[in-house]
Amino acid sequence: QSALTQPPSVSGSPGQSVTISCTGSSRDVGSYNRVSWYQQPPGTAPKLIIFEVSNRPSGVPDRFSGSKSGNTASLTISGLQAEDEADYYCSSGTSSDKVVFGEGTKLTVL
Amino acid sequence: EVQLLESGGGLVQPGGSLRLSCAASGFTFKNFALSWVRQAPGKGLEWVSSISARADATYYGDSVKGRFTISRSDSTNTVFLQMSSLRPEDTALYYCARRFVYSSSWFYFGNWGQGTLVTVSS
Repeated sequence: QSALTQPPSVSGSPGQSVTISCTGSSRDVGSYNRVSWYQQPPGTAPKLIIFEVSNRPSGVPDRFSGSKSGNTASLTISGLQAEDEADYYCSSGTSSDKVVFGEGTKLTVL
Repeated sequence: EVQLLESGGGLVQPGGSLRLSCAASGFTFKNFALSWVRQAPGKGLEWVSSISARADATYYGDSVKGRFTISRSDSTNTVFLQMSSLRPEDTALYYCARRFVYSSSWFYFGNWGQGTLVTVSS
């Protein structure tokens, strides 16, 4: 049950777009559309922002989008805003009825 | 409003036991799978355990399987995590989380509590 691989950090200026990758294996990301993404600003609980690879819960801006290709999922944030600065985690259900999270990516808005 | 309130955390010696509770309100408790997710200080999220809505299925992460037990009480709207044989690496903030309302899949966590801190140290 190894953690999914994410870049430790990404950054962008307001208005720009950034993409965070999330690489797993054929036992998780690659075989199922069970990928989700969570946003965690400092000192707060995580918030679900993407489920089933690319679906947004109600209230999540459409600036947030998700996709998947093979064993790698991606979260793209367009039109960066200062309030987007947070840690982001991907997650996937696995073939053995478990959940695995990514290592987390710190987004800095310059 | 959905509320999840964790309690039971504290300082415990290695090898000891602790029971966490999560009191839920604001929704029909018996209809939702519930989970525990932890976060070590300064580290990332780690899924710990989940229990189905009817309590007929439980799931555990590899690092806690055999040491932790999840359960629920529909009469008190509470989910529990019984932790035994605790190790220093179990030190973390333990979050209670509810299944996302718009999916039948238990592994999407749509609502979270604020967490209860468990510290395992001598």
